[in-house]
Amino acid sequence: DIQMTQSPSSVSASVGDRVTITCRASQDISSWLAWYQQKPGKAPKLLIYAASSLQSGVPSRFSGSGSGTDFTLTISSLQPEDFATYYCQQGNSFPPTFGGGTKVEIK
Amino acid sequence: QVQLQESGPGLVKPSETLSLTCTVSGGSISSYYWSWIRQPPGKGLEWIGYIYYSGSTNYNPSLKSRVTISVDTSKNQFSLKLSSVTAADTAVYYCARETAAAGRDYYYYGMDVWGQGTTVTVSS
Repeated sequence: DIQMTQSPSSVSASVGDRVTITCRASQDISSWLAWYQQKPGKAPKLLIYAASSLQSGVPSRFSGSGSGTDFTLTISSLQPEDFATYYCQQGNSFPPTFGGGTKVEIK
Repeated sequence: QVQLQESGPGLVKPSETLSLTCTVSGGSISSYYWSWIRQPPGKGLEWIGYIYYSGSTNYNPSLKSRVTISVDTSKNQFSLKLSSVTAADTAVYYCARETAAAGRDYYYYGMDVWGQGTTVTVSS
């Protein structure tokens, strides 16, 4: 299985901050990477697919980049509703695998 | 818009079979992959498997010997069975729609519609 490693595992930030989360794959996954946001007690929500495509309805402050093994999710200006846990997931090789998550907390 | 809803027992005894159903509303079950994902308490996400509307399936090798996913297109439902459960199978179970294409023109666009999740506890 492809291992997905996210860093940091948690980050403390303030409203208005720029936040960057990194995801590294254990082997080349081309651009077949998705990012999800999960709030406590809720299902994950797709934010980004194919590494950099914004899912319909997702605010433009979210952006994704990368290809191969290294990927980044950026929140350009953190809003109160963005405090959550974020997961990356690869869809290039079977089985699909998720990163361990990054919790974005209020500073 | 498409919505998914999981249903099934919230408590299953060890060694028995966990059975869940996901009902698709607001759209057809055709032309997508339909997946099950689980999340143990306080932990991350694990993909269990998917079924294509035509009935073809693929399972996580870590669970393959115990998993069966089936589809009933007439009811717009798909189902999960996980046999010989233990406490390690205690988790929130989600169903989701997965957008991908296999073969020469491969693409993968992630899981864009999710059910709300259902908690399954394995305990005697």
